[in-house]
Amino acid sequence: GENVEQHPSTLSVQEGDSAVIKCTYSDSASNYFPWYKQELGKRPQLIIDIRSNVGEKKDQRIAVTLNKTAKHFSLHITETQPEDSAVYFCAALFASGYALNFGKGTSLLVTP
Amino acid sequence: GAVVSQHPSWVICKSGTSVKIECRSLDFQATTMFWYRQFPKQSLMLMATSNEGSKATYEQGVEKDKFLINHASLTLSTLTVTSAHPEDSSFYICSTRYSTGSYEQYFGPGTRLTVT
Repeated sequence: GENVEQHPSTLSVQEGDSAVIKCTYSDSASNYFPWYKQELGKRPQLIIDIRSNVGEKKDQRIAVTLNKTAKHFSLHITETQPEDSAVYFCAALFASGYALNFGKGTSLLVTP
Repeated sequence: GAVVSQHPSWVICKSGTSVKIECRSLDFQATTMFWYRQFPKQSLMLMATSNEGSKATYEQGVEKDKFLINHASLTLSTLTVTSAHPEDSSFYICSTRYSTGSYEQYFGPGTRLTVT
């Protein structure tokens, strides 16, 4: 069935370093790939998204890249700050439905 | 972005009782809402898709008679957990798309359910 794999499950970086989280998806017809940040006990917040007709999108310190051929997309956070510490989820909107399928999440810890 | 609210934010109930969770779109009309469940330190799992004026579509493995969904208006969807058990304790989150032509989904603040 439709599936989204996310790696790594945990990531620890020092403040100022970059963080990269990778996801792969199974359905080649997928056309929308958002990234969410979730702090403990709170709702997921959309931080950036990309559509299948775009290879890269950037918003300040956050960027997402998409490789349709390989069916994977990545989140890049540069100049990390302690407030970036949270759980990050990738997701894919599959052509067969309107809901999102989420990866298992990456717990990012940015240490001062 | 779109504003989605949920009520209550947390609830504690006894085993065997039923609990209703409300999800509202505050600044737009939502023909479709999604209900997710999230266990501690796990990802969001889609439970069902709620469509205004019609029956909800449940994901495989989700008991429709246990998790009753009603989407009677364009701004309100409700999830009722019937005969709740401790294993139903979880974080329940609704979401909706801002419009049928938009892919972006916005989440409600979630409801923490604890069944004792």
